[in-house]
Amino acid sequence: GENVEQHPSTLSVQEGDSAVIKCTYSDSASNYFPWYKQELGKGPQLIIDIRSNVGEKKDQRIAVTLNKTAKHFSLHITETQPEDSAVYFCAASMGSNSGYALNFGKGTSLLVTP
Amino acid sequence: DVKVTQSSRYLVKRTGEKVFLECVQDMDHENMFWYRQDPGLGLRLIYFSYDVKMKEKGDIPEGYSVSREKKERFSLILESASTNQTSMYLCASRSPGQGGEQYFGPGTRLTVT
Repeated sequence: GENVEQHPSTLSVQEGDSAVIKCTYSDSASNYFPWYKQELGKGPQLIIDIRSNVGEKKDQRIAVTLNKTAKHFSLHITETQPEDSAVYFCAASMGSNSGYALNFGKGTSLLVTP
Repeated sequence: DVKVTQSSRYLVKRTGEKVFLECVQDMDHENMFWYRQDPGLGLRLIYFSYDVKMKEKGDIPEGYSVSREKKERFSLILESASTNQTSMYLCASRSPGQGGEQYFGPGTRLTVT
């Protein structure tokens, strides 16, 4: 599948600070960009997503921005809490030939310290 | 809420054994997927299915096959397990439409000895 690059691979922030994770993609046909949170021993959980017809979406402390021209999108977590500690994955949809499966970034391990 | 369940959380199998990983979803989704997750490699698509008895290869199908006899159930089969198939296996199903959400099961951690 097409590449999705995700940075940083690890991120450590103090409780209350903001965390930003950035992703780039290469497939121009991608039009759906979800973010997943994965806690130890569990499957990925969808936390927020954005479609290509919008540039920004917010849900409480979480926001996602999308720049289709530049092919990059970002996750912003404000007022971080220790329970935000997890691995976060960005993804970009493939086309209909692949059943709209997802190409994933390699993940960001976020640690929020009290 | 969408529920995706996988038959086992942990499995230990021997090299050469035939292994079945089962996945069931309760939302009548047409599209279902199998991924494997490995440290440093992220999630990679093995196979997907967009309807009963329909299956398509993903990025890494070698050594695997799948079965979709009923809409709610999508099975991953390792015909002859090998040690390089030790991994976390994740099943997902997808809401309809071009921007449909994809929901994951809890995963099966398979160890092949």
